[in-house]
Amino acid sequence: GAGVSQSPSNKVTEKGKDVELRCDPISGHTALYWYRQSLGQGLEFLIYFQGNSAPDKSGLPSDRFSAERTGGSVSTLTIQRTQQEDSAVYLCASSLEARSGANVLTFGAGSRLTVL
Amino acid sequence: AQRVTQPEKLLSVFKGAPVELKCNYSYSGSPELFWYVQYSRQRLQLLLRHISRESIKGFTADLNKGETSFHLKKPFAQEEDSAMYYCASRYNFNKFYFGSGTKLNVKP
Repeated sequence: GAGVSQSPSNKVTEKGKDVELRCDPISGHTALYWYRQSLGQGLEFLIYFQGNSAPDKSGLPSDRFSAERTGGSVSTLTIQRTQQEDSAVYLCASSLEARSGANVLTFGAGSRLTVL
Repeated sequence: AQRVTQPEKLLSVFKGAPVELKCNYSYSGSPELFWYVQYSRQRLQLLLRHISRESIKGFTADLNKGETSFHLKKPFAQEEDSAMYYCASRYNFNKFYFGSGTKLNVKP
């Protein structure tokens, strides 16, 4: 597609349920990021995939959070046993080869998660 | 650890006034610095990057290695500049780090 696609755009769930958020990056983009955007907290880095390298998971806030990227393309962010503090907008971004000097991030529209 | 600091959560100015959004980074060396902007109900998008040395929508930003700053400036703010602005850094072709963002409100 022409841009980074994320689904669902909105998700309301009950505390304790699991949720999956999907990101479809721009074709050919080898780098993929997940960020969390909370009011007053800015953009919080969660996880970073680059090609076939092991992902950088250093930003995941707890072991309830996990992400995978299949075939170097689509990524899924999974939050298990959701808590109210998980409510936020989850942003996905992709970019060309990380070592490119022309590397910039293209963001998706985000998935707004509300945990009741 | 790498850090990007945006000290102002909210900046309000009147239309036509100069505006400066502050950004400081913590890492020495040669970072890549960026400004991203998010207008209301739109996606986060790149505004400008320091290596391009360009002016976008009247905004400029100069990398000051001595002060480790990359402040965003515009001499005459417009109402359509109202948005959320994020400063970001990247080192050694690694991942991007973002600041906490500054909400710019340009009043008529």
